[in-house]
Order: sequence, then C-alpha cells, then structure tokens
Amino acid sequence: TQLLEQSPQFLSIQEGENLTVYCNSSSVFSSLQWYRQEPGEGPVLLVTVVTGGEVKKLKRLTFQFGDARKDSSLHITAAQPGDTGLYLCAGAYAGGTSYGKLTFGQGTILTVHP
Amino acid sequence: KAGVTQTPRYLIKTRGQQVTLSCSPISGHRSVSWYQQTPGQGLQFLFEYFSETQRNKGNFPGRFSGRQFSNSRSEMNVSTLELGDSALYLCASRPTSYSGNTIYFGEGSWLTVV
Repeated sequence: TQLLEQSPQFLSIQEGENLTVYCNSSSVFSSLQWYRQEPGEGPVLLVTVVTGGEVKKLKRLTFQFGDARKDSSLHITAAQPGDTGLYLCAGAYAGGTSYGKLTFGQGTILTVHP
Repeated sequence: KAGVTQTPRYLIKTRGQQVTLSCSPISGHRSVSWYQQTPGQGLQFLFEYFSETQRNKGNFPGRFSGRQFSNSRSEMNVSTLELGDSALYLCASRPTSYSGNTIYFGEGSWLTVV
C-alpha cells in the first residue's frame, strides 16, 4: 500500500510571508500532481510533474519534484489572502494494484491573514 | 472545452436508501474515476473505468458500485446507505488510463445521509 505523507497539515501565516508544503512517499511516483481546493468545490489542478528533478513555476508558486521521484514540494512566495485554501498533493504509481489510481496526501489547510 | 460535469450537486438521502450519481467526463476523455472525500479520511479512491471496464477498485464495500457507458459517461451507485457515507463524491477524467495522464476533477456531488 502506497502512502503519501503531506506536511504541515495546517499553516496560518501573514500576508507577504513565504511557505513550503512537503509531500513524501517511500515509493516512486510515475507522476505527481498538486491541486488546490476551495470549500464545496472539486480540486483544481495546479501542476503535474513527471521528471525527477523537475522544477515548475506558476506565478508565485514553485513546484519541485525530487530526483528520485519520491517527494515533492510546493513553495509559495509572498503569500496573499487569495492563496487561502486546501492544497493537495496526489501521486500516481505505475502498474500493479495502483493502476489508474491517485493516492492523495491528507492536505494542507493554508490560511493567509491580511 | 467543458470540464467534468457531475449531477446532482447536492442531495439528501435517508439511511437504507440507495443513490446514483452521474458524471460526464471532459470530451475525448475515456477514463473516469471516482473518489470519496471526507474530513476524517481525506480523498480516497473508489474505482476507475476505462472503455466501459472497471480497471481498479479501492477498499470500499460492495455497496459501492459503478459503471461506464459507451459514450464514457459514468455513474456510481451506493446501496443501503449508512450515515458514514455522507461525503463529497468526486468524479475525475483523463484521456486514457496511462498513469502519467493528468486527472481533472468535477465539482463533486455532496451526499448527506440522515
């Protein structure tokens, strides 16, 4: 059974601060996705990373995929109140009983105070 | 391009009843998967369908079932509802079942069992 550890579970920061969310597994991902979810809505895709060592930027968000494809991080620079939400990492593992399935981390609830 | 569409958005059922939820994937996407989201357990994989065949199933009781039609639309059914089935049920689609494909979620169906 693959497990995806996401941390921290809660983050409460002031506007303008930086933050990092981590996602770790003992298994190798074939791909990893980061989502943001608003209350009452479905998760919205932020990024997909596939290649070990990959770094992707989306405005103030920077996503890194570990060289061994077992971990990932999401870094937000100069957080704004509009960044408030639930951030989820989700890994796809190739083959076997993992076929077609995304394993989700428990999520990070981010609150950015004005 | 229209996103993943789920109906109904909200519903209330009584213990012991059954419920059917519907999902229309993004046009051209042939893989549909279903997830259950609860505050305590987070997002958990229910099953995935591709070309009308169930390709993988999560650890849920047999009361949870699904199917996919030739136009890729999917339905999931929960029979003999229990209070613990109250959750946000999310449908997601992707072009194929290839694990590198990004999964796109619908807004979900909120089920409350009373």
